[in-house]
Amino acid sequence: QTVVTQEPSFSVSPGGTVTLTCGLSSGSVSTSYYPSWYQQTPGQAPRTLIYSTKTRSSGVPDRFSGSILGNKAALTITGAQADDESDYYCVLYMGSGIWVFGGGTKLTVL
Amino acid sequence: EVQLVESGGGLVQPGGSLKLSCAASGFTFSGSAMHWVRQASGKGLEWVGRIRSKANSYATEYAASVKGRFTISRDDSKNTAHLQMNSLKTEDTAVYYCTRLSSTGQNFDYWGQGTLVTVSS
Repeated sequence: QTVVTQEPSFSVSPGGTVTLTCGLSSGSVSTSYYPSWYQQTPGQAPRTLIYSTKTRSSGVPDRFSGSILGNKAALTITGAQADDESDYYCVLYMGSGIWVFGGGTKLTVL
Repeated sequence: EVQLVESGGGLVQPGGSLKLSCAASGFTFSGSAMHWVRQASGKGLEWVGRIRSKANSYATEYAASVKGRFTISRDDSKNTAHLQMNSLKTEDTAVYYCTRLSSTGQNFDYWGQGTLVTVSS
Protein backbone atom coordinates (compact mmCIF):
# COMPACT_ATOMS: atom_id res chain seq x y z
CA GLN A 1 0.00 0.00 0.00
CA THR A 2 1.35 3.40 -0.97
CA VAL A 3 2.23 5.70 1.90
CA VAL A 4 2.27 9.49 1.58
CA THR A 5 5.20 10.89 3.52
CA GLN A 6 5.61 14.23 5.30
CA GLU A 7 8.15 15.51 7.79
CA PRO A 8 6.69 14.90 11.28
CA SER A 9 7.83 18.29 12.49
CA PHE A 10 9.56 21.43 11.36
CA SER A 11 10.65 24.64 12.99
CA VAL A 12 11.00 28.10 11.47
CA SER A 13 11.92 31.48 12.86
CA PRO A 14 9.47 34.37 12.53
CA GLY A 15 10.04 35.98 9.16
CA GLY A 16 11.87 32.94 7.89
CA THR A 17 11.13 30.60 5.01
CA VAL A 18 10.26 26.94 5.34
CA THR A 19 9.46 24.26 2.79
CA LEU A 20 7.37 21.26 3.76
CA THR A 21 7.31 18.27 1.45
CA CYS A 22 4.91 15.53 0.46
CA GLY A 23 6.31 12.38 -1.06
CA LEU A 24 5.46 8.80 -1.86
CA SER A 25 6.91 5.67 -0.30
CA SER A 26 7.30 4.41 -3.84
CA GLY A 27 7.55 6.67 -6.83
CA SER A 28 7.41 10.38 -7.50
CA VAL A 29 4.68 12.93 -6.90
CA SER A 30 3.59 14.74 -10.02
CA THR A 31 0.82 17.16 -10.86
CA SER A 32 -1.28 14.15 -11.84
CA TYR A 33 -1.73 13.44 -8.15
CA TYR A 34 -3.43 16.84 -7.71
CA PRO A 35 -1.50 17.55 -4.50
CA SER A 36 -3.32 19.82 -2.12
CA TRP A 37 -2.36 21.25 1.24
CA TYR A 38 -4.44 21.88 4.34
CA GLN A 39 -3.77 23.80 7.52
CA GLN A 40 -5.27 22.65 10.79
CA THR A 41 -5.15 24.21 14.22
CA PRO A 42 -6.18 22.25 17.34
CA GLY A 43 -9.90 21.65 17.60
CA GLN A 44 -10.62 23.07 14.17
CA ALA A 45 -11.51 21.55 10.85
CA PRO A 46 -8.82 21.66 8.15
CA ARG A 47 -8.60 24.68 5.87
CA THR A 48 -7.51 24.45 2.25
CA LEU A 49 -4.34 26.37 1.46
CA ILE A 50 -3.19 25.08 -1.91
CA TYR A 51 -4.78 22.80 -4.47
CA SER A 52 -3.80 21.33 -7.81
CA THR A 53 -0.14 21.65 -6.84
CA LYS A 54 0.13 25.46 -6.76
CA THR A 55 -3.27 27.18 -6.81
CA ARG A 56 -3.92 29.19 -3.67
CA SER A 57 -7.37 28.87 -2.18
CA SER A 58 -9.45 32.01 -1.82
CA GLY A 59 -8.22 34.24 0.97
CA VAL A 60 -4.91 32.47 1.48
CA PRO A 61 -1.99 34.89 1.80
CA ASP A 62 0.57 34.83 -0.98
CA ARG A 63 3.29 33.88 1.48
CA PHE A 64 1.99 30.34 0.97
CA SER A 65 3.00 28.71 -2.29
CA GLY A 66 2.94 25.22 -3.74
CA SER A 67 5.19 23.47 -6.20
CA ILE A 68 6.81 20.22 -7.24
CA LEU A 69 10.38 19.98 -5.97
CA GLY A 70 12.24 17.02 -7.33
CA ASN A 71 10.02 14.02 -6.73
CA LYS A 72 7.81 15.60 -4.08
CA ALA A 73 5.08 18.19 -3.74
CA ALA A 74 6.13 21.13 -1.64
CA LEU A 75 4.50 23.85 0.42
CA THR A 76 6.65 26.90 1.01
CA ILE A 77 5.89 29.54 3.59
CA THR A 78 7.80 32.75 3.01
CA GLY A 79 7.94 35.24 5.88
CA ALA A 80 6.50 32.91 8.48
CA GLN A 81 4.25 34.44 11.10
CA ALA A 82 3.35 33.27 14.56
CA ASP A 83 -0.14 32.26 13.52
CA ASP A 84 1.30 29.93 10.88
CA GLU A 85 2.09 27.57 13.74
CA SER A 86 -0.24 24.69 12.84
CA ASP A 87 -0.39 21.19 11.50
CA TYR A 88 -0.08 20.91 7.73
CA TYR A 89 -1.40 18.00 5.70
CA CYS A 90 -1.01 17.11 2.08
CA VAL A 91 -3.35 14.77 0.24
CA LEU A 92 -2.80 13.02 -3.05
CA TYR A 93 -5.27 11.59 -5.52
CA MET A 94 -4.24 8.00 -6.25
CA GLY A 95 -6.76 7.44 -9.03
CA SER A 96 -9.90 5.28 -9.06
CA GLY A 97 -11.53 7.59 -6.55
CA ILE A 98 -8.96 6.99 -3.83
CA TRP A 99 -7.30 9.80 -1.87
CA VAL A 100 -4.51 9.41 0.67
CA PHE A 101 -3.41 11.94 3.27
CA GLY A 102 0.13 12.33 4.47
CA GLY A 103 0.86 11.96 8.15
CA GLY A 104 1.06 15.72 8.63
CA THR A 105 3.79 18.14 9.66
CA LYS A 106 3.66 20.03 12.92
CA LEU A 107 5.14 23.45 12.25
CA THR A 108 6.56 25.46 15.10
CA VAL A 109 7.31 29.15 14.69
CA LEU A 110 9.92 30.29 17.19
CA GLU B 1 -22.92 30.41 2.98
CA VAL B 2 -21.82 26.80 2.65
CA GLN B 3 -22.44 24.70 5.73
CA LEU B 4 -21.75 21.05 6.49
CA VAL B 5 -23.05 19.79 9.81
CA GLU B 6 -22.24 16.29 11.01
CA SER B 7 -24.31 14.44 13.57
CA GLY B 8 -24.78 10.97 14.97
CA GLY B 9 -21.53 10.46 16.79
CA GLY B 10 -21.35 8.85 20.19
CA LEU B 11 -20.15 5.91 22.24
CA VAL B 12 -20.53 2.43 20.80
CA GLN B 13 -19.19 -0.95 21.82
CA PRO B 14 -16.72 -2.88 19.67
CA GLY B 15 -18.59 -4.82 17.04
CA GLY B 16 -21.45 -2.36 17.09
CA SER B 17 -22.87 -0.03 14.48
CA LEU B 18 -23.39 3.69 14.12
CA LYS B 19 -24.73 5.92 11.38
CA LEU B 20 -23.40 9.42 10.86
CA SER B 21 -25.15 12.14 8.91
CA CYS B 22 -23.87 15.23 7.15
CA ALA B 23 -26.44 17.93 6.46
CA ALA B 24 -25.41 20.31 3.70
CA SER B 25 -26.60 23.76 2.73
CA GLY B 26 -25.47 26.72 0.66
CA PHE B 27 -24.53 24.83 -2.50
CA THR B 28 -25.96 22.39 -5.03
CA PHE B 29 -25.58 19.25 -2.97
CA SER B 30 -26.91 16.91 -5.63
CA GLY B 31 -24.09 17.81 -7.99
CA SER B 32 -21.28 17.39 -5.50
CA ALA B 33 -19.16 14.42 -4.50
CA MET B 34 -19.09 14.07 -0.74
CA HIS B 35 -16.25 12.56 1.23
CA TRP B 36 -15.65 11.44 4.80
CA VAL B 37 -12.33 11.99 6.55
CA ARG B 38 -11.49 10.95 10.10
CA GLN B 39 -8.92 11.93 12.68
CA ALA B 40 -8.03 9.97 15.79
CA SER B 41 -7.06 12.04 18.78
CA GLY B 42 -3.57 13.43 18.34
CA LYS B 43 -3.21 11.74 14.97
CA GLY B 44 -3.37 12.79 11.35
CA LEU B 45 -6.19 12.94 8.85
CA GLU B 46 -7.31 9.72 7.19
CA TRP B 47 -9.48 9.63 4.09
CA VAL B 48 -12.39 7.22 4.67
CA GLY B 49 -14.38 7.23 1.48
CA ARG B 50 -16.60 9.10 -0.93
CA ILE B 51 -19.84 9.06 -2.86
CA ARG B 52 -20.24 10.72 -6.21
CA SER B 53 -23.33 12.40 -7.60
CA LYS B 54 -26.29 10.82 -9.34
CA ALA B 55 -24.77 11.84 -12.68
CA ASN B 56 -21.82 9.62 -11.73
CA SER B 57 -24.04 6.76 -10.63
CA TYR B 58 -23.55 7.45 -6.90
CA ALA B 59 -20.23 5.61 -7.18
CA THR B 60 -18.53 4.89 -3.88
CA GLU B 61 -14.95 4.16 -2.93
CA TYR B 62 -13.45 3.36 0.46
CA ALA B 63 -10.11 3.24 2.20
CA ALA B 64 -8.80 -0.28 2.69
CA SER B 65 -9.10 0.11 6.47
CA VAL B 66 -12.89 0.45 6.32
CA LYS B 67 -13.84 -1.36 3.11
CA GLY B 68 -16.53 -3.93 3.72
CA ARG B 69 -17.51 -2.41 7.06
CA PHE B 70 -18.48 1.16 6.17
CA THR B 71 -21.05 2.32 3.63
CA ILE B 72 -21.57 5.83 2.34
CA SER B 73 -24.95 6.87 0.99
CA ARG B 74 -26.77 10.08 0.22
CA ASP B 75 -30.28 11.49 0.11
CA ASP B 76 -30.28 14.36 -2.37
CA SER B 77 -33.88 15.24 -1.48
CA LYS B 78 -32.67 16.06 2.03
CA ASN B 79 -29.21 17.38 1.10
CA THR B 80 -27.70 14.80 3.42
CA ALA B 81 -24.88 12.29 3.20
CA HIS B 82 -24.56 9.33 5.53
CA LEU B 83 -21.78 7.10 6.79
CA GLN B 84 -23.00 3.72 8.04
CA MET B 85 -20.35 2.10 10.19
CA ASN B 86 -20.64 -1.58 11.07
CA SER B 87 -18.37 -4.02 12.90
CA LEU B 88 -16.73 -1.11 14.64
CA LYS B 89 -13.28 -1.52 16.14
CA THR B 90 -11.53 0.47 18.83
CA GLU B 91 -9.24 1.85 16.15
CA ASP B 92 -12.24 3.49 14.46
CA THR B 93 -12.40 5.94 17.37
CA ALA B 94 -11.99 9.37 15.80
CA VAL B 95 -13.58 12.64 14.88
CA TYR B 96 -15.36 12.13 11.57
CA TYR B 97 -15.54 15.02 9.13
CA CYS B 98 -17.62 15.28 6.02
CA THR B 99 -16.15 17.36 3.27
CA ARG B 100 -17.10 18.41 -0.22
CA LEU B 101 -14.95 17.74 -3.22
CA SER B 102 -14.63 20.99 -5.13
CA SER B 103 -16.22 21.44 -8.53
CA THR B 104 -12.78 21.08 -10.11
CA GLY B 105 -12.43 17.71 -8.38
CA GLN B 106 -8.99 18.67 -7.12
CA ASN B 107 -9.42 19.44 -3.43
CA PHE B 108 -11.74 19.37 -0.46
CA ASP B 109 -13.06 22.90 -0.29
CA TYR B 110 -15.58 22.83 2.55
CA TRP B 111 -15.48 20.89 5.79
CA GLY B 112 -17.87 20.28 8.64
CA GLN B 113 -16.80 20.65 12.25
CA GLY B 114 -16.78 16.92 12.82
CA THR B 115 -18.55 14.45 15.08
CA LEU B 116 -16.78 12.25 17.62
CA VAL B 117 -17.14 8.49 17.47
CA THR B 118 -15.82 6.51 20.42
CA VAL B 119 -15.60 2.74 20.18
CA SER B 120 -15.07 1.30 23.61
CA SER B 121 -16.42 -1.32 25.95
